Amino acid sequence: DVKVTQSSRYLVKRTGEKVFLECVQDMDHENMFWYRQDPGLGLRLIYFSYDVKMKEKGDIPEGYSVSREKKERFSLILESASTNQTSMYLCASRLTGIEAFFGQGTRLTVV
Amino acid sequence: AQSVTQPDIHITVSEGASLELRCNYSYGATPYLFWYVQSPGQGLQLLLKYFSGDTLVQGIKGFEAEFKRSQSSFNLRKPSVHWSDAAEYFCAVGLMEYGNKLVFGAGTILRVKS
Repeated sequence: DVKVTQSSRYLVKRTGEKVFLECVQDMDHENMFWYRQDPGLGLRLIYFSYDVKMKEKGDIPEGYSVSREKKERFSLILESASTNQTSMYLCASRLTGIEAFFGQGTRLTVV
Repeated sequence: AQSVTQPDIHITVSEGASLELRCNYSYGATPYLFWYVQSPGQGLQLLLKYFSGDTLVQGIKGFEAEFKRSQSSFNLRKPSVHWSDAAEYFCAVGLMEYGNKLVFGAGTILRVKS
């Protein structure tokens, strides 16, 4: 069974903290994605990666960075968390040419 | 820039009525096309997908979608809606020429009234 696992379901962080969101997939997919989901805005792509150590900016990369040192793991980093980064974060992975599989999401609150 | 438009933010239909959710995309070539559903508090589930071939595709839960190249559309349909279909629906496009970028629409929230 396919599995995309996000390290936390709920996270509360303080403004200015450095935040790491981790995502692991067990399907040997080359492509991995980070989205944030906000009401009325759908899923907005933050960053994606099509290979180890490769990354591409999505539509809203400002304030975020990513790391992909191993094929199965894709990390999203908030260098200095701000309240406007309070959101639901979704990780996904896919093989080229097939659908994406999603993790359960991390609801991040920045206070 | 590539974009996916779902023009209806909310739709309310009566149980047993037919349903059509609209999706248009802006992209030069034919992309891969997907519809996902998200029930409250749940993750995203794939309903159906189009890669090539027959432009009418069948999915799970009685849903179907039709790809119309001339209109850059991929509308989702169901002939008879059930109360359990109440959820948020997302259209997505996969773009081969952009490093396999996957772009989503803003979503349509479906309410079903009995």
